[in-house]
Amino acid sequence: DTEVTQTPKHLVMGMTNKKSLKCEQHMGHRAMYWYKQKAKKPPELMFVYSYEKLSINESVPSRFSPECPNSSLLNLHLHALQPEDSALYLCASSQERIVGGVNYGYTFGSGTRLTVV
Amino acid sequence: GIQVEQSPPDLILQEGANSTLRCNFSDSVNNLQWFHQNPWGQLINLFYIPSGTKQNGRLSATTVATERYSLLYISSSQTTDSGVYFCAVEPGNRDDKIIFGKGTRLHILP
Repeated sequence: DTEVTQTPKHLVMGMTNKKSLKCEQHMGHRAMYWYKQKAKKPPELMFVYSYEKLSINESVPSRFSPECPNSSLLNLHLHALQPEDSALYLCASSQERIVGGVNYGYTFGSGTRLTVV
Repeated sequence: GIQVEQSPPDLILQEGANSTLRCNFSDSVNNLQWFHQNPWGQLINLFYIPSGTKQNGRLSATTVATERYSLLYISSSQTTDSGVYFCAVEPGNRDDKIIFGKGTRLHILP
């Protein structure tokens, strides 16, 4: 299995709703990522989990709450979002780099297109 | 932080044409990848190429790490090649994140 699976593919939520985005990989990758992409812009890093621990938070507002229940799953909990949070949310995974070993880089999921109304 | 610049920003070509996309980066990198983002948003990994040359069908890529640039070649373009091509680098300080360039938007006309 060489895929990163994201659900749902599309999500429309109100500003008072609570929802979650899910990401799953079964490649044995030890690092997982959330990226946010606005239209006609490159993806921007939000969070990095390494060995199920949060290692990077790029100053993301607390209305976005990541969770890594195990090495294969990554969630992004959403609460009290604003219309400007509407975007494509991408999950990625990668192998932990081993000196002298082989790294095949990052694999991205197909994304969740989020609309906040 | 590291800067990643891609050129050209936009490219319109007739089907069958060849093209070269460029990625310049401002510091040493551990990893460089080329991605194709299709109209549905899927980021497809084309090449993992921190150095050297690789080929996959009509696509090939070359990275000259000492001169801090990478090139993506697309030969005999097809309409399905349309989309945005991103170069992404992992900085040499190993802070576990990749930085994307702004992309090259490619439109292949039938």
